Amino acid sequence: DVKVTQSSRYLVKRTGEKVFLECVQDMDHENMFWYRQDPGLGLRLIYFSYDVKMKEKGDIPEGYSVSREKKERFSLILESASTNQTSMYLCASLRGAATNEKLFFGSGTQLSVL
Amino acid sequence: QKEVEQNSGPLSVPEGAIASLNCTYSDRGSQSFFWYRQYSGKSPELIMSIYSNGDKEDGRFTAQLNKASQYVSLLIRDSQPSDSATYLCAVNRNQGGKLIFGQGTELSVKP
Repeated sequence: DVKVTQSSRYLVKRTGEKVFLECVQDMDHENMFWYRQDPGLGLRLIYFSYDVKMKEKGDIPEGYSVSREKKERFSLILESASTNQTSMYLCASLRGAATNEKLFFGSGTQLSVL
Repeated sequence: QKEVEQNSGPLSVPEGAIASLNCTYSDRGSQSFFWYRQYSGKSPELIMSIYSNGDKEDGRFTAQLNKASQYVSLLIRDSQPSDSATYLCAVNRNQGGKLIFGQGTELSVKP
């Protein structure tokens, strides 16, 4: 089965810090996604990538950037962390762009910004 | 209006009953529809997908899709306490795998 690995399960950072969230998938999937999940709001798409060095904004990209230098790795960067970025961050990967493809999720990173 | 809307719940049903979870979506061009289950502290896992109008059954789960009404539902028969979780509806708008999620419905199955 596909494995999507997020580097940290829990992370505590201070306001203004630069934060890197790492995600690696092991099945040569084309597409990778970063979502954040907040109570009552469901999953909201931050950024996604269809290929190496390709990225597209999702619904809430403000305050975030991403990097995809290698196919298997998709990084989410908080340039200057703020308290309203405290959230659960979920990485996901998808084999292709067909509409019936299954999305595979990592185990999530709970980020607290103090 | 949100693109994908669900009742946030919590929805409480007794063990053995049918749980009915509902979802509406706004984009008529949506192609594929998914139900994910998420246990507390865990990541979502896919339990059902449906692409055409009608019903699709898988064990105790039945997904129903009505594109004219822009409505998708999930029925869980013979509900078990282990079904207690948050259920997320997701819609693919044929934009390269980009899924839009609803806010989720919390289901509680009481023994």
